[in-house]
Amino acid sequence: GDSVTQMEGPVTLSEEAFLTINCTYTATGYPSLFWYVQYPGEGLQLLLKATKADDKGSNKGFEATYRKETTSFHLEKGSVQVSDSAVYFCALVERDNAGKSTFGDGTTLTVKP
Amino acid sequence: DTGVSQNPRHKITKRGQNVTFRCDPISEHNRLYWYRQTLGQGPEFLTYFQNEAQLEKSRLLSDRFSAERPKGSFSTLEIQRTEQGDSAMYLCASSATMTQYFGPGTRLLVL
Repeated sequence: GDSVTQMEGPVTLSEEAFLTINCTYTATGYPSLFWYVQYPGEGLQLLLKATKADDKGSNKGFEATYRKETTSFHLEKGSVQVSDSAVYFCALVERDNAGKSTFGDGTTLTVKP
Repeated sequence: DTGVSQNPRHKITKRGQNVTFRCDPISEHNRLYWYRQTLGQGPEFLTYFQNEAQLEKSRLLSDRFSAERPKGSFSTLEIQRTEQGDSAMYLCASSATMTQYFGPGTRLLVL
């Protein structure tokens, strides 16, 4: 079945540091890929997405590129801020799987001033 | 606000009681999903509706759980005879395409 593996956290960075959160996936078909962010006590907010190989999703300074050859969708940001502290989830959706999402376990990011 | 809404946001109940949660999706979205999230984990799929039809249920959804979407708009998730293991965040999402938009969740604590 489908699965998503994220780098284990927690990740602690200083403000303005470079961020990478690794995500790899296993899928039977050709999925769409997503990153969601979750702040304490809240639901998931869509951060960015990519629907086909070599697509780059971007939003609020975050980027991720759909790499079919390495089955990866790593999240990056060039300069993190304290307000980026949250839990980040990588997810995939397969068109032939009722559109339901398969999530990784999340990576907790803490950014210190 | 045209996002997904869920009520209540928090629910504390005693073991053995029944609880019901409501989800109001984005109005033009025909697909609605329920997920359960426990601490330190990603959300896990529970069930899925396309319009009013419940098309798939996870094996996580025991017979104590039931979900409805009677008119293809809002949905309810009921848990009967709650157990402490049901304590979790219950998330609802809706979509018209492959992109799902999530509500704020209902956090359930079973004492």
